[in-house]
Amino acid sequence: KAGVTQTPRYLIKTRGQQVTLSCSPISGHRSVSWYQQTPGQGLQFLFEYFSETQRNKGNFPGRFSGRQFSNSRSEMNVSTLELGDSALYLCASSLDGQKNTEAFFGQGTRLTVV
Amino acid sequence: KQEVTQIPAALSVPEGENLVLNCSFTDSAIYNLQWFRQDPGKGLTSLLLIQSSQREQTSGRLNASLDKSSGRSTLYIAASQPGDSATYLCAVRRTGNQFYFGTGTSLTVIP
Repeated sequence: KAGVTQTPRYLIKTRGQQVTLSCSPISGHRSVSWYQQTPGQGLQFLFEYFSETQRNKGNFPGRFSGRQFSNSRSEMNVSTLELGDSALYLCASSLDGQKNTEAFFGQGTRLTVV
Repeated sequence: KQEVTQIPAALSVPEGENLVLNCSFTDSAIYNLQWFRQDPGKGLTSLLLIQSSQREQTSGRLNASLDKSSGRSTLYIAASQPGDSATYLCAVRRTGNQFYFGTGTSLTVIP
C-alpha cells in the first residue's frame, strides 16, 4: 500500500515568485492537512481539507492557500514568496480526520526561497 | 491555545539503555496523542497513537502512556539501539486532522 506522496521533494524559488506543492494521500484517505516546519517555529498547522472543503485553518497569511480535488489529492500554493517561507512542508493524510484515526505523513517538500 | 512541551530537548545514551521521553500539554480536551519519529530532512513516521480514553499503547520496544487529566505523556524505549537515533515528536489532536506538535527530543544512541 503506497504511503503519502509529496512532490516535488525539493524546490528553489526566488522571492516574489509563487509555488505549488502537491500531496497524494494514502488510497481511501479523505482528510489531508498541511504543516510548515522551520528550525525556529517547529511544526505549525497550515490547513486541513476534507472532501474538497477546507475544514480548519491555521494562523498563516492569505498568501498560503490550498485546495483538494475529488480524488483527495491536495495542492498548496504560496504566492509572493518571502525568504521566511523557506521550510519543510509536510502533508498528512487520515481516513476521515476523526478522532480515532491515525495520521500518516509524507516525506515533505523542502522549499528554499532565495 | 494548546501548547505542547517536550523534555529533554536532547538526549544521548549508550546502546542498550532504557529511556523515557516526556511530553506535556496545556489543554486536556484532546482527541488523541500520537508519537512520531523524524530522521534528518525526512518526514514523520508514526510510532504510536493513544486515544484520549486509553492509558497506554505498546509496539515492540516502545510503550507510550497518557495521563490526560494531568496533561502528560511518556514514550518509553527499551533496550535502545543506534537505529533509534532520531528526533521524537509528540502531537496532540483536538479536531479533525489538526495537530499541535511539541518541539521534539533529539535522541542519540551511542554504539
